[in-house]
Amino acid sequence: SQTIHQWPATLVQPVGSPLSLECTVEGTSNPNLYWYRQAAGRGLQLLFYSVGIGQISSEVPQNLSASRPQDRQFILSSKKLLLSDSGFYLCAWTLSGGSLRYEQYFGPGTRLTVT
Amino acid sequence: AQSVTQLGSHVSVSEGALVLLRCNYSSSVPPYLFWYVQYPNQGLQLLLKYTTGATLVKGINGFEAEFKKSETSFHLTKPSAHMSDAAEYFCAVSRSAGNNRKLIWGLGTSLAVNP
Repeated sequence: SQTIHQWPATLVQPVGSPLSLECTVEGTSNPNLYWYRQAAGRGLQLLFYSVGIGQISSEVPQNLSASRPQDRQFILSSKKLLLSDSGFYLCAWTLSGGSLRYEQYFGPGTRLTVT
Repeated sequence: AQSVTQLGSHVSVSEGALVLLRCNYSSSVPPYLFWYVQYPNQGLQLLLKYTTGATLVKGINGFEAEFKKSETSFHLTKPSAHMSDAAEYFCAVSRSAGNNRKLIWGLGTSLAVNP
């Protein structure tokens, strides 16, 4: 069966510090991968998605970047955090291919607080 | 462009009462529709999905949803609310973006269950 991991679970970082969040998927190959952010009391905002190694699409220009160095690894980074980067970060995966019927599977999330 | 509207950001019901969470979508093509649940500080979990076939879809935890094309709706129901149903619920519609797929999300409905 497939499993998705995220770490760390919680993170408190000062403004201006760097960030690295990691997501890994087990039990599947060549998944589509997604990074979302949830601000307090708001819905899901898609940040990045990837259809393959080194292939990253950005949804919203901002202070963050993403990388996919391996097939099942997705990393979210920032060189200098802003207060507005605080939120709940979710990684998700779905089966690759052209069908729209496949659901996304979510990791447990990382709670980031920028102080 | 596809969009999802969830009517009511907060819904409160008594334990044992009917749960009805509303979702309306706009789509120029036959949609694939999803309901997810999110418990506090956790990732999202798929409740149910509609792809093709039977318009009444049964999911986990006693939830079901009915796809009504004429009303462009996909409302989520449960006959009898349980305290453990208190959570955030998200409706989503799938769309294609090249060789990738994205979910268009509603803003979510927070369900409170009162004893």
